[in-house]
Amino acid sequence: AQSVTQPDIHITVSEGASLELRCNYSYGATPYLFWYVQSPGQGLQLLLKYFSGDTLVQGIKGFEAEFKRSQSSFNLRKPSVHWSDAAEYFCAVGAPSSSNTGKLIFGQGTTLQVKP
Amino acid sequence: DGGITQSPKYLFRKEGQNVTLSCEQNLNHDAMYWYRQDPGQGLRLIYYSQIVNDFQKGDIAEGYSVSREKKESFPLTVTSAQKNPTAFYLCASSHQGAGELFFGEGSRLTVL
Repeated sequence: AQSVTQPDIHITVSEGASLELRCNYSYGATPYLFWYVQSPGQGLQLLLKYFSGDTLVQGIKGFEAEFKRSQSSFNLRKPSVHWSDAAEYFCAVGAPSSSNTGKLIFGQGTTLQVKP
Repeated sequence: DGGITQSPKYLFRKEGQNVTLSCEQNLNHDAMYWYRQDPGQGLRLIYYSQIVNDFQKGDIAEGYSVSREKKESFPLTVTSAQKNPTAFYLCASSHQGAGELFFGEGSRLTVL
């Protein structure tokens, strides 16, 4: 079955520290991969996406993610966290075909808390 | 600016009442989606539509209904048959085959 797992429900880091949020997926082929961020009571904003090519993807707000096919992982990283990064982060996968319906499967989310 | 507008942002409903959540987009996207979000469960797909006058059930369609009479609009009705309707509802849209979803700001429904 297709699924996305975010092993860490809640992570706390100090401002200025580095961050890595984990994402593992189960899919029949290499899917499209996404990371979204959500502030409380708001919609989701796309941070970055991987479709093909370079496995290290750069996104907005200084985030990057690395696709590792052998590990079925797409971990999100940021070298130095800012207090404004506190939010909930979702990893998602979608079908990689021209007939892609756009349906995405989401992980359960990781809540990031930033300590001053 | 182009985007997705959901209304109302907050809605309260008595048990046994139907309620309709509005979703309008001006991005000229073909596909539209409704997701339900509950704490600790991520987002679950309720319904999606790839073209006007056509839609498909998602993973948790029971107790919900939709229509797609216009490309720009994809309203969701939460019926009295939905046993646990209190949740945060998110509407999204995408270009056909593009993969990436654009989200609205969400509607929070509370059943009293």
